[in-house]
Amino acid sequence: DTGVSQDPRHKITKRGQNVTFRCDPISEHNRLYWYRQTLGQGPEFLTYFQNEAQLEKSRLLSDRFSAERPKGSFSTLEIQRTEQGDSAMYLCASSSTSGREGTQYFGPGTRLTVL
Amino acid sequence: GNSVTQMEGPVTLSEEAFLTINCTYTATGYPSLFWYVQYPGEGLQLLLKATKADDKGSNKGFEATYRKETTSFHLEKGSVQVSDSAVYFCALYSGGSNYKLTFGKGTLLTVNP
Repeated sequence: DTGVSQDPRHKITKRGQNVTFRCDPISEHNRLYWYRQTLGQGPEFLTYFQNEAQLEKSRLLSDRFSAERPKGSFSTLEIQRTEQGDSAMYLCASSSTSGREGTQYFGPGTRLTVL
Repeated sequence: GNSVTQMEGPVTLSEEAFLTINCTYTATGYPSLFWYVQYPGEGLQLLLKATKADDKGSNKGFEATYRKETTSFHLEKGSVQVSDSAVYFCALYSGGSNYKLTFGKGTLLTVNP
């Protein structure tokens, strides 16, 4: 079990640029989640995949955000035309459908700073 | 909808002191309850969990009991260490068509030597 990995760990960009983050879940997990965490707050749900299907999107996920999970393995989260308000930690988590209790395992996160 | 309310920090304790961080929740049905810990600059690590009423989750000296009658899941540790300094998050999962975790705002714990 290598855990959930995310890349990059840190990203600094200028306002208006596009950024893309990658998440590799635990290999046998077919559920994958993205959350956003701002300073002093708990993580907030953005979107959820079961295998390659995106089943739920939060209203926090504006039109500038898009997420994919091709082939049901890794996932990418893209933010277009970044704004300063997008500065946050973006967390990825994965879980297995075999567990009813919903335990999700988190990666180390990608910290985005928009200048 | 689901919600989690946890004790606001920061909490500052001396080493070997007793820790309690309060957490209450609102949810439909029978949610699973979790405590996650976040060390500076890192992601969230699962600390403990409980999936039904009266279950006690425990790990690394931390404990929490799922109390349905008071809708609470308070985190306790009998003797904290400096290495326990971190942010602690209470979370719930209600399942069914609701796949996400709902988190509290987190409680910053600082333990001084």
